[in-house]
Amino acid sequence: GEDVEQSLFLSVREGDSSVINCTYTDSSSTYLYWYKQEPGAGLQLLTYIFSNMDMKQDQRLTVLLNKKDKHLSLRIADTQTGDSAIYFCARGVSGGYNKLIFGAGTRLAVHP
Amino acid sequence: EAGVAQSPRYKIIEKRQSVAFWCNPISGHATLYWYQQILGQGPKLLIQFQNNGVVDDSQLPKDRFSAERLKGVDSTLKIQPAKLEDSAVYLCASSLRQGAYNSPLHFGNGTRLTVT
Repeated sequence: GEDVEQSLFLSVREGDSSVINCTYTDSSSTYLYWYKQEPGAGLQLLTYIFSNMDMKQDQRLTVLLNKKDKHLSLRIADTQTGDSAIYFCARGVSGGYNKLIFGAGTRLAVHP
Repeated sequence: EAGVAQSPRYKIIEKRQSVAFWCNPISGHATLYWYQQILGQGPKLLIQFQNNGVVDDSQLPKDRFSAERLKGVDSTLKIQPAKLEDSAVYLCASSLRQGAYNSPLHFGNGTRLTVT
């Protein structure tokens, strides 16, 4: 299977919470990242979590890490139309000079 | 600060032709990356430079792709000859240094290549 897997599509109502999930296979990854890509643009780093952490919160964003299940999630509270984008999960390769392995991305659609 | 600049934004070529992409990283960023993003997939690292030296080109198809970073600043990525499967967005990214979580990658807007 793929190294980093994500569901392809998520649709939520404006104001609701969004939860985007990611699973990975290599438990040696030290850091895990969430990037956002808007149409026609490059990737923008949203947040990251160190592998010895279970949770990280940054304003509307909450990252949860379950190391046992190799599962990472990104929760966006009070989702807005401006949050519509593709969200990529990525893992850092140990000793890999900042090399990142990306998932295929989850397209988040926010509707009124 | 100015972001990562890439040109051109779009390029359409026929198979077997050659093409080159240009990237200007954020000033002072020592590490530069070229990623290939095929439609519906996540970005895949092609090559990584530390200053003007290559630190990882394990996924670069060296029979047709080449890249250089002269003077440790700007970089060019070339494909010669192009194949249909090279159709993708080519993303350039830079970071202040390598191997550190607090040295995030900054991406350019990419060059969309279509090979017909």
